[in-house]
This record gives sequence, C-alpha cells and structure tokens, in this order.
Amino acid sequence: GENVEQHPSTLSVQEGDSAVIKCTYSDSASNYFPWYKQELGKGPQLIIDIRSNVGEKKDQRIAVTLNKTAKHFSLHITETQPEDSAVYFCAASKGYSTLTFGKGTMLLVSP
Amino acid sequence: DVKVTQSSRYLVKRTGEKVFLECVQDMDHENMFWYRQDPGLGLRLIYFSYDVKMKEKGDIPEGYSVSREKKERFSLILESASTNQTSMYLCASSPGLAGVGDEQFFGPGTRLTVL
Repeated sequence: GENVEQHPSTLSVQEGDSAVIKCTYSDSASNYFPWYKQELGKGPQLIIDIRSNVGEKKDQRIAVTLNKTAKHFSLHITETQPEDSAVYFCAASKGYSTLTFGKGTMLLVSP
Repeated sequence: DVKVTQSSRYLVKRTGEKVFLECVQDMDHENMFWYRQDPGLGLRLIYFSYDVKMKEKGDIPEGYSVSREKKERFSLILESASTNQTSMYLCASSPGLAGVGDEQFFGPGTRLTVL
C-alpha cells in the first residue's frame, strides 16, 4: 500500500519567516495530494491541494509543489504569523477517495 | 458550511465494555470515514463507507466494526474495548462526486480513554 513520509516532525520559526514541510510518497499511481491543518482541539481542515497534472499551486501565503518523478511534494508558507501555529498533515490518494496521511508536522511560529 | 458532529468530545470506558462512537454529517455526503489519531503516528484509517449499509476496511480495522444504516450517520463500534484503543477518534465525510480528490471534512474528534 501507499506510504507517506513527512518531515520535519516539529518546526519552529520566527514570525515573518518562511516554513517548508516536505513529504514523500511510495506509490507512483497516487495522483492527489492535499494538505490539512489541525488547530488545537479541532479536526483537520483542508488548506490546499494539488493534482498530479500540476507542478505548483499557490493560494495567498501558501503554496504546494509536486515532483512526480521524485515522488515528493512540499508545503511552503511565507510570511508566517502566530495563527499559522498548528499541526500540518500531508496526504496522498490514488482512488476511492481514501487518503494516506503523513505523521504530521507541528509548526510553532513565535512572535 | 459542512458540519460533521461527533456524539462526545470525551469518553471514559472500562476494559471489555462495548463502545459506540457516533458521527453525523449534514451535507448529504456519500463517503464517510473513521480515523484514529495517535501522537507520532498521524491519522490512520479504520473503516470507510461509500453508501448506506456498505463498509470497507481501512488500514487498522482489527478490534473495530462500523454501521451505516442511514446516509448521514456512521457509527464506530468497539466490541470489547481494550486499553490499546485509548486514542483520539476522528470522523470525516466527503461528497463522493469527484472520485479521487474529494475534500474530506472532519468532526472535532472524540478522545476515548479505556481504563
């Protein structure tokens, strides 16, 4: 089955810095790669996603890049703010709407 | 807005008890999912359902069963709770229209402690 590795497990940045979280996947048939943000006491919420026919996607301060050949994708957050502090999960999917999640990255943005 | 609700935020049960976790979604979604979330292990899929009375095993179904008698409700059942089932349980739903690439909407989670 699919295996998704996510790094780093924790990331501390200063407000205004950029943050990058990286994921690799094992199944070359995977074609959908979402990122979820989980705030304390809440369920995960989709923040951005990318499909395998696209190399990069941006939405304001967040962007995701995908390298199908290397089977890795990354989340980039620019101009980080304290409210970006949360746990971020990457995931991969190849069918039936099921997702395989990475183990998560705890991002801490210090003022 | 899509809303996924879970019957309890916190639950404490004894070893051997039968436990029911309920999940309800209000957006007529086709797909529903149960995950457990443990520190350092991320989210792991227990069971999912594409339709009423239909269920499929996820990655870690052992010790669990599910029921989907109505489209909006998906129940997770622990037949005989054990201490290693102490965890955060998350329910999710998705429209089921896009096939691959459906956004999943999550409930707030139920933190279950088995003593």
